[in-house]
Amino acid sequence: QSVLTQPPSISGAPGQRVTISCTGSSSNFGAGYDAHWYQQLPGTAPKLLIYDNNNRPSGVPDRFSGSKSGTSASLAITGLQPEDEADYYCQSYDHSLGGSNVFGTGTKVSVL
Amino acid sequence: QITLKESGPTLVKPTQTLTLTCTFSGFSLSAAGEGVGWIRQSPGKALECLTLIYWNDDNRYSPSLKSRLTITKDTSKKQVVLTLTNVDLVDTATYYCAHSRQMKYFDFWGQGILVTVSS
Repeated sequence: QSVLTQPPSISGAPGQRVTISCTGSSSNFGAGYDAHWYQQLPGTAPKLLIYDNNNRPSGVPDRFSGSKSGTSASLAITGLQPEDEADYYCQSYDHSLGGSNVFGTGTKVSVL
Repeated sequence: QITLKESGPTLVKPTQTLTLTCTFSGFSLSAAGEGVGWIRQSPGKALECLTLIYWNDDNRYSPSLKSRLTITKDTSKKQVVLTLTNVDLVDTATYYCAHSRQMKYFDFWGQGILVTVSS
């Protein structure tokens, strides 16, 4: 029962652009808290992909980009590659019920 | 370079208490802004943030699990300990510890430890 909702799955052909949405509320994104994104390859630990809405850690390709507006955030992958097939999670802080970090429901990206 | 590693039992019985240890290097949990969190992932499910502890002893807990969770730190040993009481089958999951940057996001993760709850 995550407070951040993502589409369960999306797919795209190599080279295409895909976008993953993360819908929150007034107690997280709407309150000004930032969006962060993680990539989880099968059988591995999550990896930080985007932090503070639109910043990439060193080593993350620039085909990954993020944005936030109002109560939603999104992750875009341009020039989709086979190695991008993974699960993606958004994350933020939610100040309801005492406050805690929360993750999204997760999105499986498939490369056709 | 920041590294973290989880350790503890991989099999526990229902109603028992689960204790996991995160041993880290590359940062000091007494430095301002530093924190360590525990996140779990049930098989085939999403990530769930359980608890965090910060350099100033501030703790945050998942509202749904707060009554069963405790997080503590030993700064000199560079360890953070998670305790989850009265475990149930639904607590079967891979448990990760991760470095919390600026109390906002997790930039380094341990490899995870799969804990199975079964009688």
